[in-house]
Order: sequence, then structure tokens, then C-alpha cells
Amino acid sequence: DQQVKQNSPSLSVQEGRISILNCDYTNSMFDYFLWYKKYPAEGPTFLISISSIKDKNEDGRFTVFLNKSAKHLSLHIVPSQPGDSAVYFCAAITSGTYKYIFGTGTRLKVLA
Amino acid sequence: SQTIHQWPATLVQPVGSPLSLECTVEGTSNPNLYWYRQAAGRGLQLLFYSVGIGQISSEVPQNLSASRPQDRQFILSSKKLLLSDSGFYLCAWSPQGGYEQYFGPGTRLTVT
Repeated sequence: DQQVKQNSPSLSVQEGRISILNCDYTNSMFDYFLWYKKYPAEGPTFLISISSIKDKNEDGRFTVFLNKSAKHLSLHIVPSQPGDSAVYFCAAITSGTYKYIFGTGTRLKVLA
Repeated sequence: SQTIHQWPATLVQPVGSPLSLECTVEGTSNPNLYWYRQAAGRGLQLLFYSVGIGQISSEVPQNLSASRPQDRQFILSSKKLLLSDSGFYLCAWSPQGGYEQYFGPGTRLTVT
């Protein structure tokens, strides 16, 4: 049972445009969500997170939106840069537990 | 600042041989520690987590085990490797009371 889904395995965007990465979840007990960026043969790097008490969190070029009723979150990157090309994972967790559930990732390619 | 180390970076082992992967964290105390595995083209699967010395929780039944002999040291072991143990192994830490996880560089394990 895939509790966290990233249905787009890949995405290509022109440099300077917006990248939108999507993530859906099924477990309504999840109340904290995270996005990670991963380059090949490296560990994931934490990007941004959001608590379920918010619907938006912003950090520089990165914004995460949470729609609890739809069980959907998205990561917006504006403007996209070639260095953003990587695999992006979303993850979810229920507060008070330690079990993070990760999606399968979306490979973003930013074209110069 | 906090840093996390993992070694070795790559490892090729024959089926049936033992395994020991080590992870250490610097710059923090009493971290939560995690072992993940990423199989080719898949998301991150949580294998073990630890909230304190000697406290290990297993998420996936398998022939792997974990130990935490010191506060900032986490070890992943196996007595006899299987072909299916091949993958990219990642250690991570999170602060007590926080949810952001920080990953090490990973170990690429190939079982032949």
C-alpha cells in the first residue's frame, strides 16, 4: 500500500519558469510533510517542510502548498535553475511517531 | 554545525558474507537515528530507527540488524548477505522534538 504517491516520475521545465512537483497521500493521520532533493549517489537534502496546521510555507524560491481535504501537497520552485535538476522526494509522518513514508520521487530536469 | 558521516561509500560483497555499515553524527546530542534503503528506481524504505542508546525499532523484517552502541553512532549489520540486500543505504538523523531529517552521503552495496 503506497501511502505517499508521486505520480509523475519525471518533469522537464525551461530555466526561469516555474516547476511544480506534486505529491498525494492517503493516510489522514499524517500531519507533517517534507520535501527532499537528491542528486545521484548522494543522500537526500532537506528542502522545506509544512505542518498540517498551515496550508503554505515559503523559503526563498521554494514554496510548499498543502491541501488537506484533497490529501495533496505540491512544491513550487520559482524561478527554476539548471542546478535544481535532481530527484525530488516528498515524505510524510504522523507527529509523535518516527516512521517517515517517502514517495518514489520525481526527476526534475531544468533546461537551460 | 551538525555533520553526519557514513562509511564505506561503496561496497561489493559476496552472498553469504557479513556486513557492517557505520554512521556517526557530530555536533548534536541525543539525535534520533535512522537507516533507510533505496532500491533501484524506488523510494526510500525505512529499515530501523533509534531514539536512544540501545533502543532500536525495526520496520521491515529481514536479515539485517541495527545497533546503537553510543549516542551518535548507528551500525547496520548482517550475518549473511542476500542478493536482495543490494541497494543504496542511507543513514539519517533528526533532532529530538523535530521532524526534519538530515541524511548522510550513503553506501552503495552490491551483493554478488
